[in-house]
Amino acid sequence: DAGVIQSPRHEVTEMGQEVTLRCKPISGHDYLFWYRQTMMRGLELLIYFNNNVPIDDSGMPEDRFSAKMPNASFSTLKIQPSEPRDSAVYFCASGGTEAFFGQGTRLTVV
Amino acid sequence: GEDVEQSLFLSVREGDSSVINCTYTDSSSTYLYWYKQEPGAGLQLLTYIFSNMDMKQDQRLTVLLNKKDKHLSLRIADTQTGDSAIYFCAESSVNNAGNMLTFGGGTRLMVKP
Repeated sequence: DAGVIQSPRHEVTEMGQEVTLRCKPISGHDYLFWYRQTMMRGLELLIYFNNNVPIDDSGMPEDRFSAKMPNASFSTLKIQPSEPRDSAVYFCASGGTEAFFGQGTRLTVV
Repeated sequence: GEDVEQSLFLSVREGDSSVINCTYTDSSSTYLYWYKQEPGAGLQLLTYIFSNMDMKQDQRLTVLLNKKDKHLSLRIADTQTGDSAIYFCAESSVNNAGNMLTFGGGTRLMVKP
């Protein structure tokens, strides 16, 4: 398996624009997690899914953030409208007892 | 809520052993993990230990768990320059539905030649 695949690897966008981050989990994994990493706050869990169903989205910062998992092989994290403070590295991870991380998407909002 | 603490920085010489420490507060932790992050990369799972164990060894890595003190350590034997990275401790607990991880702030390991 190629591991958890995230796209794009880098995204630069202007404030106010919509941003969509994508994730393909490892086949057969029941759990999918979205994390955000910043220097100030470290790694924060935003939301996670079990069998495509959102279980806990208490880490989503505000209504501008939304996440979907339409099927077992794909998830998106959307920010609309984006703001400079959303600049961070966003990681997707999948697994169960062991969580495997993608390479991340570095988002810069200018 | 759960809290996981790590020291920020550790510097060792190549060939020495490194010991990275972590403390956590959740007494119902089920699994404790060590991840490695190299610059510009994702988090790589190094090893994990079930909370009813006190030691796990995997090649150059030794994990020690003191459940009474809620203290976890990662020892890297014969540290190499390629071990330079940020190391994250994480825990999951039965308080969470599923396997939600709470991460520490990471320890930056610098290995000097």
